[in-house]
Amino acid sequence: DSGVTQTPKHLITATGQRVTLRCSPRSGDLSVYWYQQSLDQGLQFLIHYYNGEERAKGNILERFSAQQFPDLHSELNLSSLELGDSALYFCASSVGRYSYNSPLHFGNGTRLTVT
Amino acid sequence: DAKTTQPNSMESNEEEPVHLPCNHSTISGTDYIHWYRQLPSQGPEYVIHGLTSNVNNRMASLAIAEDRKSSTLILHRATLRDAAVYYCILYSGGGADGLTFGKGTHLIIQP
Repeated sequence: DSGVTQTPKHLITATGQRVTLRCSPRSGDLSVYWYQQSLDQGLQFLIHYYNGEERAKGNILERFSAQQFPDLHSELNLSSLELGDSALYFCASSVGRYSYNSPLHFGNGTRLTVT
Repeated sequence: DAKTTQPNSMESNEEEPVHLPCNHSTISGTDYIHWYRQLPSQGPEYVIHGLTSNVNNRMASLAIAEDRKSSTLILHRATLRDAAVYYCILYSGGGADGLTFGKGTHLIIQP
């Protein structure tokens, strides 16, 4: 158990809809990262928050947004969903500001299916 | 971030040591070498990381070549639970602050 909690575990929705994925980091961790894993793209970094502030963006679509709240939990909002957004979405947390010297601890993901 | 090259798959026997290679010939002086693994139906799991010297922890050892152009993850005594995709990643903090995962090595453990 990594200590990172993601809800829900599974989500099925229709094209055009909006969903919110939630992540609770390990106790004491200030950084939260979001990743998308699909069969054809592998693990793709989306966005990083540190102590409530956005630190870096990766391959995140404009239809996607995220935020980290004062209690350090984070939410990833996906809107105008398309079939291609079907994937596993992982949240990871770490204690430090930077990932190069601070191990990431991943949750078990939310499996999103867009029909 | 500099690129890494790993074999697509490797096979080993249970209770034997496993050496997973990673080539990173364009590594820079500030790149840390990270290893993560992903078991089926789970999120990636941190294994080990290092900069220049060899590193050991309870899960594995990381052997880094003197010129740092290659490294080897060593599992001292493989179990069936070690069957996973192993990712070798370089990162130094420049650019987008998120680890870039490649395709990794699919490790198969035979009983």
